[in-house]
Amino acid sequence: QSALTQPASVSGSPGQSITISCTGTSSDVGGYNYVSWYQQHPGKAPKLMIYDVSNRPSGVPDRFSGSKSGNTASLTISGLQAEDEADYYCSSYTSSSPWVFGGGTKLTVL
Amino acid sequence: QVQLQESGPGLVKPSQTLSLTCTVSGGSISSGGYYWSWIRQHPGKGLEWIGYIYYSGSTYYNPSLKSRVTISVDTSKNQFSLKLSSVTAADTAVYYCLRSYGSGSPFDYWGQGTLVTVSS
Repeated sequence: QSALTQPASVSGSPGQSITISCTGTSSDVGGYNYVSWYQQHPGKAPKLMIYDVSNRPSGVPDRFSGSKSGNTASLTISGLQAEDEADYYCSSYTSSSPWVFGGGTKLTVL
Repeated sequence: QVQLQESGPGLVKPSQTLSLTCTVSGGSISSGGYYWSWIRQHPGKGLEWIGYIYYSGSTYYNPSLKSRVTISVDTSKNQFSLKLSSVTAADTAVYYCLRSYGSGSPFDYWGQGTLVTVSS
């Protein structure tokens, strides 16, 4: 059982927007602004897409955005593209461990 | 550009010790300021942080694996290593080495990952 809860799957059509949620507790997501999001294509290593809740590393399209409300963080992808189809993982700092991850969400672009 | 590369046996027998090494290029482990971690991903599953080491040798392990994990660093070779003892089939996973700029900070560089299968 993962420490953070994500939906198993989400889907959307090209051009649409989707949001992936990541729910934790006040000891992790809700207590710190240290939420990150990673994109993983099949057979590849994860890639950092969002850090510190809403910051994008250099090179990540601004179609990707992050936010947080209470104990739930969210990743929104706008203007969905075929290349966005991948697994997405959230991660948070916690009071008991530097990192915990969500179980991952499979994004399907219809 | 920092690059990380895992190496080690792809097959380990049950009850034995899994040993992996991560070679870092494009940057020096001993320059400080970064934490060097191991993460694993069970087949078709999510990510599990195993532990990290700082260039000084200080370590921090996932409490669920702490009794079986040792992470060490060799700054002369610009490498850090993972040892996981008393392995079982449940330790079969892709193991990644990676870098972050602080405890709890995001992982900005990842190795390509290496699959380790535990089987007799």
